[in-house]
This record gives sequence, structure tokens and C-alpha cells, in this order.
Amino acid sequence: NAGVMQNPRHLVRRRGQEARLRCSPMKGHSHVYWYRQLPEEGLKFMVYLQKENIIDESGMPKERFSAEFPKEGPSILRIQQVVRGDSAAYFCASSPDRSNTEAFFGQGTRLTVV
Amino acid sequence: KQEVTQIPAALSVPEGENLVLNCSFTDSAIYNLQWFRQDPGKGLTSLLLIQSSQREQTSGRLNASLDKSSGRSTLYIAASQPGDSATYLCAVSGATNKLIFGTGTLLAVQP
Repeated sequence: NAGVMQNPRHLVRRRGQEARLRCSPMKGHSHVYWYRQLPEEGLKFMVYLQKENIIDESGMPKERFSAEFPKEGPSILRIQQVVRGDSAAYFCASSPDRSNTEAFFGQGTRLTVV
Repeated sequence: KQEVTQIPAALSVPEGENLVLNCSFTDSAIYNLQWFRQDPGKGLTSLLLIQSSQREQTSGRLNASLDKSSGRSTLYIAASQPGDSATYLCAVSGATNKLIFGTGTLLAVQP
């Protein structure tokens, strides 16, 4: 049973380009969470999705950021028109249920904006 | 608004010592508390999960306790080894498994 898979592991984008980060949850998990770790800062919640639904996006920046978790395929975190301040490690976690269960994390995608 | 604090921010100990990492949270209405380990440039490895109805969990040399009413958790590491060197994070969750992370403790175990 493979763990949470994130790709790419490293992503370099020029300012103004788009970044697409992918997350495949563990088998049997239908709940996905995205977190961001800025340099020298802690992990911050961004968005919680269930298949085809955004449940909680209270941590998402209002502009340029979007997330989806389609019926088929991985969850995607999309950042449009990236800026230097978007440089961070983006982690995805999955769980089998809505609450009271352990969250399993992927290895993260390290985004560098040049 | 839930806030999670970890003390100390950094800790250096000689190999073989027992040590305690502390985590406190401001809102006691949590469902779970989870301890993670993060190695430099890597992802998070889940160490222990304590559900709100539990007082402690043990895994090998690790023991985590939870005092929900006082908003505190401790992670006890017995007989520390250089391979334990990492950043340790605690996180609490509410009704939706959304995790609020602490600031982390950077542990260095000297051989």
C-alpha cells in the first residue's frame, strides 16, 4: 500500500508562470489536506477536500490559488502567476475519514520561484 | 482561535539521555493530538496519535501523554540516539482532521 505520493518533488518556476502540484492519497483515503511551509515558518493549513468537493478553504490565499480533487485522478493545487513569496514546501496529507483518524503526509513539493 | 506552542524551540543532548518535549494548546476542544518528526528537506513522519479520550500512547522508545483539560502534551524519548535528531512537531485537530501545528522543537543528539 503506497503512501501519499506527491509530484513533482522539486519545481522551479519563473515569476508569472503557473505551478501545478499533484497529490495522490493513500489507497482507500478520500480526504485530502494541503499545507504550506514557508521558509523559517511552521506548517499552515491551506485547504481540505473530499472527492469533487472543497470542504474548507479557510487557509487558501484569496487570489491565484485553487485546489481540486476530481472523481478520478490526483488532487491538484494550482498557483497562477507565481511570485517569489510563493516559494515554499507544499505538503499533502490524506485520511480515510472526516475526523478522529491519523493523517498521513507525502514527501512534499518544494517550489522555488526565480 | 487555536494556537499551539512547543517548548523548547531547540534542544541538544548527549546520546543516551532521556528527554521531554512539550506542547501546549489554547483550546481544549480537540479531537486528536499527533506528534510528527520532520527531517531536513523531507516530509512528515507520524510518530504517535492520541485521541481525545486517551491519556497516552507508546511506540518503542517514545511515549506521548495528553492532558486535555490543561491543554498540554509531552513527548518522552528514552535513551536518545543520534538518529533521533530531527524537528519534532505536535499538531491538534478538531472535527475535520484539519491540523493546527506547533512551532516545532529542533532536537540534536550528540554522539
